[in-house]
Amino acid sequence: ETGVTQTPRHLVMGMTNKKSLKCEQHLGHNAMYWYKQSAKKPLELMFVYNFKEQTENNSVPSRFSPECPNSSHLFLHLHTLQPEDSALYLCASSQGTGTSGVHGETQYFGPGTRLLVL
Amino acid sequence: AQSVTQPDIHITVSEGASLELRCNYSYGATPYLFWYVQSPGQGLQLLLKYFSGDTLVQGIKGFEAEFKRSQSSFNLRKPSVHWSDAAEYFCAVGPNTGKLIFGQGTTLQVKP
Repeated sequence: ETGVTQTPRHLVMGMTNKKSLKCEQHLGHNAMYWYKQSAKKPLELMFVYNFKEQTENNSVPSRFSPECPNSSHLFLHLHTLQPEDSALYLCASSQGTGTSGVHGETQYFGPGTRLLVL
Repeated sequence: AQSVTQPDIHITVSEGASLELRCNYSYGATPYLFWYVQSPGQGLQLLLKYFSGDTLVQGIKGFEAEFKRSQSSFNLRKPSVHWSDAAEYFCAVGPNTGKLIFGQGTTLQVKP
């Protein structure tokens, strides 16, 4: 495997379900990101992790819970979602520059998980 | 407020014709600017980026972009479009926290 992979690629869930999205990067990076891409809207940054520490939470509802056990893996745990949460969820990674943050780094994206909440 | 505007939601060009996709930004300091492309069912791929120096930036697949500070623009160009260029294109501004701000995207359709 190379680059950034995401599983599953498609997910359908009810509003009472609990599911998790997985992202894995094979680039040796230290920063990872979750984005939400909804139709007709710009990509929205959700979370940023740099060296396993969360450095950005863009006012995301608590029904989305990220987890970053190591620099190569990032999860997004989902519970009691709403239909308006249906979207493409993209994971990205970048080099990560330690204490100086992720200043202007190139982000490499995975193919995304298409989520449908019924 | 920081923002990115891509005025054209949808553009159609003939194969072999030139292309220019517009991007305007609002940002308080010198921005880090990016263009990404997204093919159907795929994630985003970086085309090019501008941090500093020469304001004309060359990217992959024959694309280039020019940073114009006075116009707060970072337009993407290609002299001759190929059918495989049909995709969605995103302009983004990156300040110093990794918090990329994306435009709404421009969908490019290429006519044979």
